Amino acid sequence: DAKTTQPPSMDCAEGRAANLPCNHSTISGNEYVYWYRQIHSQGPQYIIHGLKNNETNEMASLIITEDRKSSTLILPHATLRDTAVYYCIVRGTGNQFYFGTGTSLTVIP
Amino acid sequence: DAGITQSPRHKVTETGTPVTLRCHQTENHRYMYWYRQDPGHGLRLIHYSYGVKDTDKGEVSDGYSVSRSKTEDFLLTLESATSSQTSVYFCAISDTGLSSGANVLTFGAGSRLTVL
Repeated sequence: DAKTTQPPSMDCAEGRAANLPCNHSTISGNEYVYWYRQIHSQGPQYIIHGLKNNETNEMASLIITEDRKSSTLILPHATLRDTAVYYCIVRGTGNQFYFGTGTSLTVIP
Repeated sequence: DAGITQSPRHKVTETGTPVTLRCHQTENHRYMYWYRQDPGHGLRLIHYSYGVKDTDKGEVSDGYSVSRSKTEDFLLTLESATSSQTSVYFCAISDTGLSSGANVLTFGAGSRLTVL
């Protein structure tokens, strides 16, 4: 099953774009990339997903490289409420979702 | 949280006692999952279910068993709790209803278990 690699932590100034990278070099052709975030001790929250094309919704944008071996989650105008741990996930066989340790994003006032 | 309830939300127990955590959903979703979350490890998949009476192991299944006798309920049992099973446990659900073919997980609020 494809696994992901993310930097353990990042900082971003409030109001600026936050760009969170993810490597998934073993991803297979039909596997989607998903992003979730977790604030404090709450359950993780779905943000966005994509297969090949770039995607945008009301929360974020997802940029997937042409070879699909990496992706970037973009929060266009980060706020203090975006401080959270962000997880990049590639779904494995049998509909299993494997989370790693994620990236702890701190938005700085 | 979107029709998914975990109980109990907090539990303190002693080593060697059995513990059952319950996940209840009202979404009629096919897939249900149990994760544990520990500092430095992120979320790790314990077991998951792909239908009534259909379950499979995740990456950290030792010491845990699960049962799913109804679509809406997924039970996680620690037959004999150990201190290493002190953790926050999250249940999640998903379905195959997205037209894109992707599945989205929805999580419960979590159950905090302390084993003394």
